[in-house]
Formats: sequence, structure tokens, C-alpha cells
Amino acid sequence: GQQLNQSPQSMFIQEGEDVSMNCTSSSIFNTWLWYKQDPGEGPVLLIALYKAGELTSNGRLTAQFGITRKDSFLNISASIPSDVGIYFCAGQLGQAGTALIFGKGTTLSVSS
Amino acid sequence: EPEVTQTPSHQVTQMGQEVILRCVPISNHLYFYWYRQILGQKVEFLVSFYNNEISEKSEIFDDQFSVERPDGSNFTLKIRSTKLEDSAMYFCATSRWGGETQYFGPGTRLLVL
Repeated sequence: GQQLNQSPQSMFIQEGEDVSMNCTSSSIFNTWLWYKQDPGEGPVLLIALYKAGELTSNGRLTAQFGITRKDSFLNISASIPSDVGIYFCAGQLGQAGTALIFGKGTTLSVSS
Repeated sequence: EPEVTQTPSHQVTQMGQEVILRCVPISNHLYFYWYRQILGQKVEFLVSFYNNEISEKSEIFDDQFSVERPDGSNFTLKIRSTKLEDSAMYFCATSRWGGETQYFGPGTRLLVL
């Protein structure tokens, strides 16, 4: 099946530091999404990207849809303790009603 | 802000029993999905549903699984005869249109003993 390679697997940072994580694939995606998941809860949408090259911000979060449509990155600036959680990239290959393919997640720990 | 809701939040069942997981989609959304997440692993697609029929399913979604929208509001996932390996978090997601952003519910934690 299709695979998304997400890295790094985990990060341990100090409060105030910037964070970067990315996803790559051998397949071309039409949509890239970034979700955050807290323990025992469902994924919460952070940023949605629909066009190659698109750069979108949501507060301290910035994400880009790679030009080749095979990759995406998420940056978090000036991290705070509540940024702790698991961040998943997800891609959509087709258009109507198609499955999201998830990466394995990046676990972020922030120490104050 | 409208949310996807799921019931129950937790379900414990004996192997071989049937379970039904329920989801109430966001009201103007037309596409519905089920995903599962085995503890510590990534989220995996099970099935998508539009216009009262399955539009796509994964190899995980075998004959033991079925979905329906019995009353125009709830969207259900039925597992006919549960196995130990069905233990996971099951997430419902919905989107307004196909290809649009999918919004996830809080999940049902299923434990099969």
C-alpha cells in the first residue's frame, strides 16, 4: 500500500524553540493535511494544503505543500508546553471521498 | 463549532460478539469515513461512505465489517464477530465534499477480550 515517511519519529525540545517535521512519499498527493493528536483523543486538524507550492500559516504553525506534490513540512515556532502531542501528516491521493493515508507520527515533547 | 460525535467512548466486549459503533456527522457533511488506530500505531483507513453506499474500502474492511446510515443522522460501523486484533481506537470522520478536509470524532476505544 501507499506509504508516507514521516520524520523525525520523536523530538525533545525546550520551550521557545522552533520545531520542524516533514513527510515524504513516492506517490503524488492532491491534498496534504497536518493533524495533532492528544492521548486518547481524535486527530485535530491543524492545516490543510490543496495546491503544490502552497504555504499556509495557522498562528505559530506553518506548513507547505511541496512542489513535487510528494512531500510536506510543518514548522512550529516558539514552542510552548501545550504543543506536546503527536503530529500526523496525512495525504489524499484522489479527489472525491478518498482515504487519508497517515504517516506514523512525530511525538513532540516540550520541557519548560 | 460543529463537531463529529461518537458513542460509546469505550466498549469492552468478548471475542466473537457483535459491536456497533455510532457516529453523528457534522450536519451538512455528505462524506463519512471510519478509521482505526491500534495502540501506538498510525491511523489506518477502513471505509468511506457517500450517498448511502461504500465508495472505497481498505483490505482491513473485510466481511466482518459493515457500515450503514440507518436513520439519516447516525453513521454506524458494525463488527459482526469481534477478534482480539480488532482492539483499537475507532475514529469516525466526515467531510462536506469528497476531497475536502476530513474532521475526526473523539473515537471509540474498543477492547476485545
